Amino acid sequence: GENVEQHPSTLSVQEGDSAVIKCTYSDSASNYFPWYKQELGKGPQLIIDIRSNVGEKKDQRIAVTLNKTAKHFSLHITETQPEDSAVYFCAATKESGANSKLTFGKGITLSVRP
Amino acid sequence: DAGVTQSPTHLIKTRGQHVTLRCSPISGHKSVSWYQQVLGQGPQFIFQYYEKEERGRGNFPDRFSARQFPNYSSELNVNALLLGDSALYLCASSDTGTRGEQYFGPGTRLTVT
Repeated sequence: GENVEQHPSTLSVQEGDSAVIKCTYSDSASNYFPWYKQELGKGPQLIIDIRSNVGEKKDQRIAVTLNKTAKHFSLHITETQPEDSAVYFCAATKESGANSKLTFGKGITLSVRP
Repeated sequence: DAGVTQSPTHLIKTRGQHVTLRCSPISGHKSVSWYQQVLGQGPQFIFQYYEKEERGRGNFPDRFSARQFPNYSSELNVNALLLGDSALYLCASSDTGTRGEQYFGPGTRLTVT
Protein backbone atom coordinates (compact mmCIF):
# COMPACT_ATOMS: atom_id res chain seq x y z
CA GLY A 1 0.00 0.00 0.00
CA GLU A 2 0.87 3.68 -0.13
CA ASN A 3 3.30 5.14 2.39
CA VAL A 4 3.63 8.90 2.83
CA GLU A 5 6.50 10.44 4.75
CA GLN A 6 6.74 14.05 5.81
CA HIS A 7 9.80 16.05 6.75
CA PRO A 8 10.66 17.85 8.94
CA SER A 9 8.32 17.19 11.88
CA THR A 10 8.53 20.75 13.16
CA LEU A 11 9.38 24.03 11.46
CA SER A 12 9.77 27.49 12.94
CA VAL A 13 10.04 30.58 10.76
CA GLN A 14 10.03 34.32 11.26
CA GLU A 15 6.93 36.19 10.18
CA GLY A 16 7.33 37.25 6.56
CA ASP A 17 9.75 34.46 5.68
CA SER A 18 8.90 31.50 3.44
CA ALA A 19 8.20 27.97 4.65
CA VAL A 20 8.68 24.77 2.65
CA ILE A 21 7.29 21.40 3.74
CA LYS A 22 8.27 18.26 1.87
CA CYS A 23 6.59 14.88 1.45
CA THR A 24 7.52 11.67 -0.29
CA TYR A 25 5.22 8.87 -1.41
CA SER A 26 5.88 5.28 -2.37
CA ASP A 27 3.11 4.22 -4.79
CA SER A 28 3.77 5.40 -8.33
CA ALA A 29 0.05 4.87 -9.10
CA SER A 30 -0.94 7.71 -6.75
CA ASN A 31 -2.17 10.67 -8.77
CA TYR A 32 -3.81 13.11 -6.34
CA PHE A 33 -1.93 14.96 -3.60
CA PRO A 34 -3.79 17.28 -1.21
CA TRP A 35 -2.47 19.39 1.64
CA TYR A 36 -4.46 19.95 4.80
CA LYS A 37 -4.10 22.50 7.60
CA GLN A 38 -5.30 21.49 11.04
CA GLU A 39 -5.70 24.00 13.84
CA LEU A 40 -6.06 23.00 17.44
CA GLY A 41 -9.44 21.43 18.17
CA LYS A 42 -10.53 21.43 14.54
CA GLY A 43 -10.72 19.01 11.66
CA PRO A 44 -8.25 19.15 8.76
CA GLN A 45 -8.95 21.89 6.21
CA LEU A 46 -8.11 21.31 2.54
CA ILE A 47 -5.89 24.23 1.50
CA ILE A 48 -4.47 23.18 -1.86
CA ASP A 49 -4.11 20.07 -4.00
CA ILE A 50 -2.37 18.89 -7.13
CA ARG A 51 -2.91 16.12 -9.63
CA SER A 52 -0.17 14.20 -11.37
CA ASN A 53 -0.83 15.79 -14.75
CA VAL A 54 0.62 19.13 -13.56
CA GLY A 55 3.88 20.03 -11.91
CA GLU A 56 2.91 23.12 -9.95
CA LYS A 57 -0.18 24.89 -8.66
CA LYS A 58 -0.45 28.22 -6.90
CA ASP A 59 -3.14 29.92 -4.86
CA GLN A 60 -2.17 33.34 -3.49
CA ARG A 61 0.59 32.75 -0.89
CA ILE A 62 0.45 28.98 -1.17
CA ALA A 63 1.93 26.77 -3.87
CA VAL A 64 2.47 23.06 -4.32
CA THR A 65 5.04 21.39 -6.56
CA LEU A 66 5.14 17.76 -7.66
CA ASN A 67 8.05 15.67 -8.90
CA LYS A 68 6.62 12.36 -10.14
CA THR A 69 10.00 10.90 -11.02
CA ALA A 70 11.35 11.39 -7.52
CA LYS A 71 7.92 10.76 -5.96
CA HIS A 72 7.91 13.84 -3.81
CA PHE A 73 5.78 16.94 -3.49
CA SER A 74 6.20 20.13 -1.50
CA LEU A 75 4.09 22.89 0.02
CA HIS A 76 5.43 26.42 -0.24
CA ILE A 77 4.05 29.25 1.89
CA THR A 78 5.36 32.74 1.20
CA GLU A 79 5.11 35.83 3.39
CA THR A 80 4.16 33.72 6.40
CA GLN A 81 1.82 35.18 9.00
CA PRO A 82 1.15 34.13 12.62
CA GLU A 83 -2.21 32.70 11.54
CA ASP A 84 -0.33 30.21 9.35
CA SER A 85 0.79 28.49 12.57
CA ALA A 86 -0.85 25.05 12.57
CA VAL A 87 -0.20 21.38 11.80
CA TYR A 88 0.09 20.66 8.08
CA PHE A 89 -0.57 17.22 6.59
CA CYS A 90 0.22 15.94 3.15
CA ALA A 91 -1.69 13.02 1.69
CA ALA A 92 -1.81 10.86 -1.42
CA THR A 93 -4.35 8.70 -3.18
CA LYS A 94 -5.10 7.05 -6.49
CA GLU A 95 -8.20 8.51 -8.06
CA SER A 96 -10.31 6.55 -10.53
CA GLY A 97 -10.27 3.50 -8.33
CA ALA A 98 -13.09 1.94 -6.36
CA ASN A 99 -12.46 4.46 -3.64
CA SER A 100 -10.22 7.41 -2.91
CA LYS A 101 -8.87 6.67 0.53
CA LEU A 102 -6.26 9.20 1.57
CA THR A 103 -2.96 8.09 3.05
CA PHE A 104 -1.57 10.84 5.29
CA GLY A 105 1.86 11.79 6.49
CA LYS A 106 2.45 12.28 10.20
CA GLY A 107 2.14 16.04 9.99
CA ILE A 108 4.42 18.98 10.57
CA THR A 109 3.91 21.67 13.18
CA LEU A 110 4.61 25.07 11.66
CA SER A 111 5.26 27.94 14.06
CA VAL A 112 5.44 31.48 12.71
CA ARG A 113 7.23 33.81 15.11
CA PRO A 114 5.87 37.37 15.18
CA ASP B 1 -23.84 26.26 3.10
CA ALA B 2 -23.23 23.94 6.02
CA GLY B 3 -20.07 21.92 5.99
CA VAL B 4 -19.64 18.42 7.34
CA THR B 5 -21.26 18.02 10.72
CA GLN B 6 -20.45 15.39 13.33
CA SER B 7 -21.99 14.43 16.63
CA PRO B 8 -21.29 14.24 19.44
CA THR B 9 -18.32 16.59 19.86
CA HIS B 10 -16.86 14.73 22.80
CA LEU B 11 -17.56 11.35 24.29
CA ILE B 12 -16.21 9.43 27.28
CA LYS B 13 -16.75 5.67 27.40
CA THR B 14 -15.53 2.77 29.51
CA ARG B 15 -13.59 -0.21 28.19
CA GLY B 16 -15.89 -2.86 26.78
CA GLN B 17 -18.70 -0.47 25.92
CA HIS B 18 -19.81 0.38 22.41
CA VAL B 19 -20.15 3.75 20.75
CA THR B 20 -21.98 5.23 17.77
CA LEU B 21 -20.67 8.32 16.02
CA ARG B 22 -22.68 10.27 13.47
CA CYS B 23 -21.85 12.32 10.40
CA SER B 24 -23.79 14.42 7.91
CA PRO B 25 -21.97 15.21 4.65
CA ILE B 26 -22.00 18.43 2.69
CA SER B 27 -25.29 18.86 0.86
CA GLY B 28 -25.07 17.13 -2.52
CA HIS B 29 -22.16 14.90 -1.54
CA LYS B 30 -22.86 11.19 -1.77
CA SER B 31 -19.69 9.75 -0.27
CA VAL B 32 -18.57 9.63 3.34
CA SER B 33 -15.25 8.41 4.68
CA TRP B 34 -14.21 7.79 8.27
CA TYR B 35 -10.72 8.34 9.65
CA GLN B 36 -9.14 7.81 13.04
CA GLN B 37 -6.58 10.36 14.23
CA VAL B 38 -4.48 9.42 17.22
CA LEU B 39 -2.77 12.30 19.00
CA GLY B 40 0.33 13.39 17.16
CA GLN B 41 -0.39 11.36 14.03
CA GLY B 42 -2.06 11.86 10.68
CA PRO B 43 -5.59 10.57 10.07
CA GLN B 44 -5.84 6.87 9.26
CA PHE B 45 -8.49 5.55 6.88
CA ILE B 46 -11.22 3.34 8.36
CA PHE B 47 -14.10 3.16 5.83
CA GLN B 48 -15.50 4.78 2.74
CA TYR B 49 -19.15 4.60 1.70
CA TYR B 50 -20.74 5.75 -1.53
CA GLU B 51 -24.42 5.45 -2.33
CA LYS B 52 -24.88 3.34 0.81
CA GLU B 53 -22.33 0.75 -0.27
CA GLU B 54 -18.96 0.13 1.34
CA ARG B 55 -16.25 1.09 -1.14
CA GLY B 56 -13.19 0.62 1.01
CA ARG B 57 -12.03 -0.60 4.39
CA GLY B 58 -8.79 0.16 6.16
CA ASN B 59 -6.77 -2.05 8.45
CA PHE B 60 -9.09 -1.97 11.45
CA PRO B 61 -10.59 -4.90 13.40
CA ASP B 62 -14.14 -6.14 12.93
CA ARG B 63 -15.13 -4.25 16.06
CA PHE B 64 -15.39 -1.26 13.75
CA SER B 65 -18.41 -1.06 11.45
CA ALA B 66 -20.26 1.64 9.59
CA ARG B 67 -23.24 2.27 7.42
CA GLN B 68 -24.65 5.00 5.21
CA PHE B 69 -28.28 6.00 5.09
CA PRO B 70 -30.50 7.01 2.14
CA ASN B 71 -29.93 10.69 2.99
CA TYR B 72 -26.14 10.00 2.77
CA SER B 73 -25.52 10.54 6.46
CA SER B 74 -23.41 7.89 8.13
CA GLU B 75 -22.75 6.14 11.42
CA LEU B 76 -19.53 4.63 12.71
CA ASN B 77 -19.93 1.95 15.36
CA VAL B 78 -17.18 0.61 17.57
CA ASN B 79 -17.83 -2.38 19.83
CA ALA B 80 -15.88 -3.70 22.82
CA LEU B 81 -13.96 -0.46 23.24
CA LEU B 82 -10.27 -0.61 24.12
CA LEU B 83 -8.10 2.10 25.64
CA GLY B 84 -6.31 2.30 22.30
CA ASP B 85 -9.52 3.40 20.59
CA SER B 86 -9.17 6.80 22.22
CA ALA B 87 -8.76 9.20 19.32
CA LEU B 88 -10.33 11.92 17.22
CA TYR B 89 -12.73 10.34 14.74
CA LEU B 90 -13.07 12.34 11.57
CA CYS B 91 -15.71 12.17 8.90
CA ALA B 92 -14.90 13.36 5.39
CA SER B 93 -17.35 14.18 2.63
CA SER B 94 -16.79 13.96 -1.11
CA ASP B 95 -19.05 14.22 -4.11
CA THR B 96 -18.51 10.96 -5.96
CA GLY B 97 -16.16 8.92 -3.85
CA THR B 98 -13.63 8.43 -6.61
CA ARG B 99 -12.28 11.96 -6.86
CA GLY B 100 -9.76 12.83 -4.21
CA GLU B 101 -11.17 16.06 -2.74
CA GLN B 102 -12.41 15.27 0.73
CA TYR B 103 -13.73 17.81 3.20
CA PHE B 104 -13.48 17.02 6.87
CA GLY B 105 -15.79 17.69 9.74
CA PRO B 106 -14.62 18.88 13.17
CA GLY B 107 -14.42 15.33 14.50
CA THR B 108 -15.62 13.49 17.58
CA ARG B 109 -13.13 13.21 20.43
CA LEU B 110 -13.54 9.75 21.98
CA THR B 111 -11.90 8.99 25.30
CA VAL B 112 -11.96 5.41 26.58
CA THR B 113 -11.22 4.95 30.29
